Amino acid sequence: SYELTQPPSLSVPPGQTARITCSGDVLRKQYGSWYQQKSGQVPVLIIYKGTERPPGIPERFSGSNSGTTVTLTVNGVQPEDEADYYCQTADSSGTRRLFGGGTTLTVL
Amino acid sequence: EVQLVESGGELVQSGGSLRLSCAASGFSVESSSMNWVRQGPGKGLQWVSVIYSSERTYYADSVKGRFTVSRDDSKNTVYLQMTSLRAEDTAVYYCAKQISFYTYAMDVWGHGTTVTVSS
Repeated sequence: SYELTQPPSLSVPPGQTARITCSGDVLRKQYGSWYQQKSGQVPVLIIYKGTERPPGIPERFSGSNSGTTVTLTVNGVQPEDEADYYCQTADSSGTRRLFGGGTTLTVL
Repeated sequence: EVQLVESGGELVQSGGSLRLSCAASGFSVESSSMNWVRQGPGKGLQWVSVIYSSERTYYADSVKGRFTVSRDDSKNTVYLQMTSLRAEDTAVYYCAKQISFYTYAMDVWGHGTTVTVSS
């Protein structure tokens, strides 16, 4: 199927580890990417090709993948990490792009 | 500096048409894969369309047959022509540059332009 499923929300105390999952059959064939969108701001790419970090993205953000699930891990969550996080990939033919429904990360 | 600037969003009546523009600087749209992504009020990101360097185009099912993506290489600008607009097309529309042909992640985003369709 061409759907990506994320948990709607996640709450984590500051300094702890947040793990956000994204599941979909297409992830067995295509890399996943992750975007951070803070309130009222433009999405920012934080992980691409499953595990790569663009320049300027803090090392506490990392990505991993296993079968039909990709995971965004935020080590040592900071208050400024409070945001919506979206996974993204493409369909198996690479013609259409897909976004997950988004996960709101709250830093308690 | 690599930058994308969208324009053209406005209030339009249901059934109407609108053309959005995305002006690029710091890179060439002619050699890039350019996407349109939208976000309805309080909703998540939704992919709309892509135009490849070959000018081949693809669309989400929800807009296929109503929206057309194109570009003007001389102006380094990508366009999204929207027709038969519906209330559910109300959203902030972003254009976004893909990292490369085979890397589908989008590393450069514009600030967005708001389209409101009144019923």
